[in-house]
Amino acid sequence: EAGVVQSPRYKIIEKKQPVAFWCNPISGHNTLYWYRQNLGQGPELLIRYENEEAVDDSQLPKDRFSAERLKGVDSTLKIQPAELGDSAVYLCASGGARNEKLFFGSGTQLSVL
Amino acid sequence: SQQGEEDPQALSIQEGENATMNCSYKTSINNLQWYRQNSGRGLVHLILIRSNEREKHSGRLRVTLDTSKKSSSLLITASRAADTASYFCAIGGGSEKLVFGKGTKLTVNP
Repeated sequence: EAGVVQSPRYKIIEKKQPVAFWCNPISGHNTLYWYRQNLGQGPELLIRYENEEAVDDSQLPKDRFSAERLKGVDSTLKIQPAELGDSAVYLCASGGARNEKLFFGSGTQLSVL
Repeated sequence: SQQGEEDPQALSIQEGENATMNCSYKTSINNLQWYRQNSGRGLVHLILIRSNEREKHSGRLRVTLDTSKKSSSLLITASRAADTASYFCAIGGGSEKLVFGKGTKLTVNP
């Protein structure tokens, strides 16, 4: 069974440009998470979905970040416009049985120049 | 939601030695989890321990939880070079927000 799939693996953009990340969770997992991980830090939650509903987006900087999970399966996270401080690894995860154990993708490493 | 705090921040040992890392937290918890992250990869779940459990094992891993001291420890026995990674404790899960600590970076030298 495939794990959580993210693309692209790496992205380099100039500041003020838009960027989008894509995530396909494990089949059957209703809960999907986007985390941001800065260098040397632990992941920080940006948004959590239950099916297509965003149930926790309190940490999402809504002035420039947006996310969607239209059919309750795959999801897209967008930044527009990107700032230098957005350089980080963006991790997608999906929840297993009882949603206690998370399965992570390999992440997208974003560099904003 | 609260964040666990791992200690030490970095640990370097020789292959075959045991590695112990700790996680402290401030208020009562339901679950505490440990994850591993190899360089440039996503996190991998290792063990979940509930507040009514004191110890859990998985292969060479042993996790303990002391709710009176509000701390947990992860012990890796007979370490291998492949155990080189960052290890994170995370508090929450299920309907609770899962919050990660800053991690312990473990280096196992061959």
